Amino acid sequence: QKEVEQDPGPLSVPEGAIVSLNCTYSNSAFQYFMWYRQYSRKGPELLMYTYSSGNKEDGRFTAQVDKSSKYISLFIRDSQPSDSATYLCAKNNNAGNMLTFGGGTRLMVKP
Amino acid sequence: NAGVTQTPKFQVLKTGQSMTLQCAQDMNHNSMYWYRQDPGMGLRLIYYSASEGTTDKGEVPNGYNVSRLNKREFSLRLESAAPSQTSVYFCASTRPAGGPTDTQYFGPGTRLTVL
Repeated sequence: QKEVEQDPGPLSVPEGAIVSLNCTYSNSAFQYFMWYRQYSRKGPELLMYTYSSGNKEDGRFTAQVDKSSKYISLFIRDSQPSDSATYLCAKNNNAGNMLTFGGGTRLMVKP
Repeated sequence: NAGVTQTPKFQVLKTGQSMTLQCAQDMNHNSMYWYRQDPGMGLRLIYYSASEGTTDKGEVPNGYNVSRLNKREFSLRLESAAPSQTSVYFCASTRPAGGPTDTQYFGPGTRLTVL
């Protein structure tokens, strides 16, 4: 079992929809979780990070961690065509700055 | 400020050929990383360098070697390329006071095909 798993999608939604992207993880020791966004043929860029419990909001984006179910979610409100990208969740292994990534979910927001 | 740069952008090799992928960062970062990205597999760590003069294996190091040439540059070498090494390769770096929430900055990637 991979340490961080994501549904690869693609997920297609109309503009303005609320998007929910999800990851599961297998090791309870992880404390920090990140969401990276990757546009086609580009390198990933950090969208936001969150600690192992609770919510974190940044504009239209909210990251949520449910430690009891080992579930990580990213919500996008009022989705825009410019949000079309692959979203990668990652966990930090608590040893410096080593990240383990999920496989990514491809999101398409249609005008 | 160019951030993280990678050369070349594209490369096609024949099985058994060798090549070096170059990475440089101008952000005065201590730590640098090499990842490969394959469809559905996400990013997998090949090698990393926590600081100048040190390198360590990641999740998938077989078939690769690295050199941390100086603080700015971190190269990845394929000594004898195999079709299984067809992938997109990303270099990344992170700031000197590296902590668990620090951002890793990624380069634009090198698309490598091994025939």
